[in-house]
Amino acid sequence: NAGVTQTPKFQVLKTGQSMTLQCAQDMNHEYMSWYRQDPGMGLRLIHYSVGAGITDQGEVPNGYNVSRSTTEDFPLRLLSAAPSQTSVYFCASSYQGQGEGAFFGQGTRLTVV
Amino acid sequence: LAKTTQPVSMDSYEGQEVNITCSHNNIATNDYITWYQQFPSQGPRFIIQGYKTKVTNEVASLFIPADRKSSTLSLPRVSLSDTAVYYCLVLRYGQNFVFGPGTRLSVLP
Repeated sequence: NAGVTQTPKFQVLKTGQSMTLQCAQDMNHEYMSWYRQDPGMGLRLIHYSVGAGITDQGEVPNGYNVSRSTTEDFPLRLLSAAPSQTSVYFCASSYQGQGEGAFFGQGTRLTVV
Repeated sequence: LAKTTQPVSMDSYEGQEVNITCSHNNIATNDYITWYQQFPSQGPRFIIQGYKTKVTNEVASLFIPADRKSSTLSLPRVSLSDTAVYYCLVLRYGQNFVFGPGTRLSVLP
């Protein structure tokens, strides 16, 4: 099994550009989420989904959109990139949300110039 | 969710046992204690989870006293490859993960 796959691994954007970070999991997990991690900091929750068709905001949702049309995929869209969105982005999935081990992708390192 | 407090950093030498303690004074009855490990440039990895007393797996042990207001992650005989950030989380079914800054463990030769 591949687990949680994120693409791309690295990306450089210009301010104002938009892009989509891809996340796919092959474990049939209901719960998926996106985090960002700034240098020396813990992870902060951006958006999450408890199942196909259901999404909700996390701690830092501004500037990001998500959708969950299938169980496997949970893309994160940056609407108009800003330098403050320079960060490492992690996607995670787990069976029943919490109380179970979550699996994280390898991350996408995004730089906005 | 209960706020957690853990050391910012710790140093150890190869072959030693490392104990990282986490405080969670406001833990609720239905909360679980979970630890994750994160290597540089990688996503966090689940290590161990427990509710009370002691849990052991192939990687670590987790000690939780009766009042559950703290927990201790124990890593036996650490090696250089155990250098990572360790996160203590208090989880409740249906609630989101909340990551603090974690404990940065440096294992020295």
